[in-house]
Amino acid sequence: AQKITQTQPGMFVQEKEAVTLDCTYDTSDQSYGLFWYKQPSSGEMIFLIYQGSYDEQNATEGRYSLNFQKARKSANLVISASQLGDSAMYFCAMSKRRNDYKLSFGAGTTVTVRA
Amino acid sequence: ETGVTQSPTHLIKTRGQQVTLRCSSQSGHNTVSWYQQALGQGPQFIFQYYREEENGRGNFPPRFSGLQFPNYSSELNVNALELDDSALYLCASSLKTDMNTEAFFGQGTRLTVV
Repeated sequence: AQKITQTQPGMFVQEKEAVTLDCTYDTSDQSYGLFWYKQPSSGEMIFLIYQGSYDEQNATEGRYSLNFQKARKSANLVISASQLGDSAMYFCAMSKRRNDYKLSFGAGTTVTVRA
Repeated sequence: ETGVTQSPTHLIKTRGQQVTLRCSSQSGHNTVSWYQQALGQGPQFIFQYYREEENGRGNFPPRFSGLQFPNYSSELNVNALELDDSALYLCASSLKTDMNTEAFFGQGTRLTVV
């Protein structure tokens, strides 16, 4: 079974500053994928970034980077240069394979960006 | 905006009734996954359909059932509704290939059971 833990229910960040969202996971699989999604108030999940368990480099996508520490089973999301539009719920998720999309999600972290 | 459309957007049903939720997948996608997201929680995987066959199921009772049609659109049916079924139901469409592809989510159907 796969389990995702997000311990920060809510965070405030000043516009233009960076914020780190914590995610730890538990799985007995050797191969797995980790995802971060953003969910604005409209409801749809927006894909942000992906990290495969065998990827040697940390994933980056524009202002998003994933701090992957395999031994610690953590996959923290860093959002740099926060913008007001970044205010949303953020979910960490995992699956057994990149294209599997049978995702196990964490409870989410609400990010509020202040002007 | 993604090409994934869910209908209806909101729905109110009475306990014990049955409900059907619909999802039209992104053009070219052959896989639809359904999730239940209770208020304040992360989505929970219900099941996935690939080329009209169920391809994996989460920890949900049999009264949650689904269909996928030849055009890859999908339905989620819930029988004997319970109050705890009140949630946002999300579908995600994806293309199952050897290449890395992205899943696109719809905006969800918010179901309220009273």
